[in-house]
Amino acid sequence: GQQVMQIPQYQHVQEGEDFTTYCNSSTTLSNIQWYKQRPGGHPVFLIQLVKSGEVKKQKRLTFQFGEAKKNSSLHITATQTTDVGTYFCGSGTNAGKSTFGDGTTLTVKP
Amino acid sequence: GAGVSQSPRYKVAKRGQDVALRCDPISGHVSLFWYQQALGQGPEFLTYFQNEAQLDKSGLPSDRFFAERPEGSVSTLKIQRTQQEDSAVYLCASSSSTGGNTGELFFGEGSRLTVL
Repeated sequence: GQQVMQIPQYQHVQEGEDFTTYCNSSTTLSNIQWYKQRPGGHPVFLIQLVKSGEVKKQKRLTFQFGEAKKNSSLHITATQTTDVGTYFCGSGTNAGKSTFGDGTTLTVKP
Repeated sequence: GAGVSQSPRYKVAKRGQDVALRCDPISGHVSLFWYQQALGQGPEFLTYFQNEAQLDKSGLPSDRFFAERPEGSVSTLKIQRTQQEDSAVYLCASSSSTGGNTGELFFGEGSRLTVL
């Protein structure tokens, strides 16, 4: 089945620095979804990308889906303390099943 | 409420006990998923329902795990003869999408199971 790997596992940044997390798959993905999970919380949907080479922006967040639909990235510009949490990528299949990576945990030092 | 509701939020069980975890999805959501999340890891797929039909149960770790959604709404995940390795957060998610494009998953707060 579809499996996604995320790097890095942890990222510590100074507030104001940029942050990027990467999601990679050995197989072509039908779509990619990104979720954010705050400490002690549950995953919250951020965005879904479907098209090859797609780029979407949400304020300081930029999401990309690779041309080959095997990788994706989430970039945060000028991190803030409210950005702390674990960012997961996931991918759904035609049958409805979604599988997730192990996430990148971001900590931001004020 | 408007979101996915799970109960209990916390459950402590002695090894060998049976537990039942409940999920009340967003009204009208056809798809319902159960995930297991161990500390420091991503959600691991357990099973998927479309209405009352269990279309995929490939992620259930053993025959001690059983899930049902008899009327296509509320779902229950049952774990029989719990073991320490069952300790995890069990997340329920629902979606208005069916197949093809998974769409946004709405997660509940989760049920944290601790097996002593």
